[in-house]
Amino acid sequence: KNQVEQSPQSLIILEGKNCTLQCNYTVSPFSNLRWYKQDTGRGPVSLTIMTFSENTKSNGRYTATLDADTKQSSLHITASQLSDSASYICVVSASNYQLIWGAGTKLIIKP
Amino acid sequence: GAVVSQHPSRVICKSGTSVKIECRSLDFQATTMFWYRQFPKQSLMLMATSNEGSKATYEQGVEKDKFLINHASLTLSTLTVTSAHPEDSSFYICSARVTGGGLQPQHFGDGTRLSIL
Repeated sequence: KNQVEQSPQSLIILEGKNCTLQCNYTVSPFSNLRWYKQDTGRGPVSLTIMTFSENTKSNGRYTATLDADTKQSSLHITASQLSDSASYICVVSASNYQLIWGAGTKLIIKP
Repeated sequence: GAVVSQHPSRVICKSGTSVKIECRSLDFQATTMFWYRQFPKQSLMLMATSNEGSKATYEQGVEKDKFLINHASLTLSTLTVTSAHPEDSSFYICSARVTGGGLQPQHFGDGTRLSIL
């Protein structure tokens, strides 16, 4: 069964600190993996998209990694800001374009 | 670029009312649009895939007669919740994908908060 699991479910860190969010998947055949940021009451915004051959991709202070062998991805946020408070969702696309959504990690940045 | 506008952002109405939600791609053409609903503290759940000029494809368990989808142009898709009831209260989000296939990211609207009294 195609599944995407994210951890932790929620995370609270102090402003300025770094953090890493995890995503494990069992989607096959794999096409690509995306990380989205969703602010409360808003639609998701794409942060990164990675295909099978890509190991890492950065978008400003966000860096995503992908290990296609172990079927794991991580999203690292550097020097967190208050505006980083949001839910971060890992989405894996199967080769038939079906998207499998993770439940998200709710990140809270405290001043 | 790649802006998706969703309207209205919030609807509060009585049980039995039909509600129409619009999803527009403002600066690109979208052959395919998607409709999701999201319950509190849960991730998005795909309801249906809307293709311009053809009938929408509904996910298992989603009633097509309850959630009417029309995708009449490359920039507009509408979702009508017919005879809405309190259990239909949810956050509905649309997305649009740039014509070009599955590697293109979906661009999301800001959602519609539907509350049925």
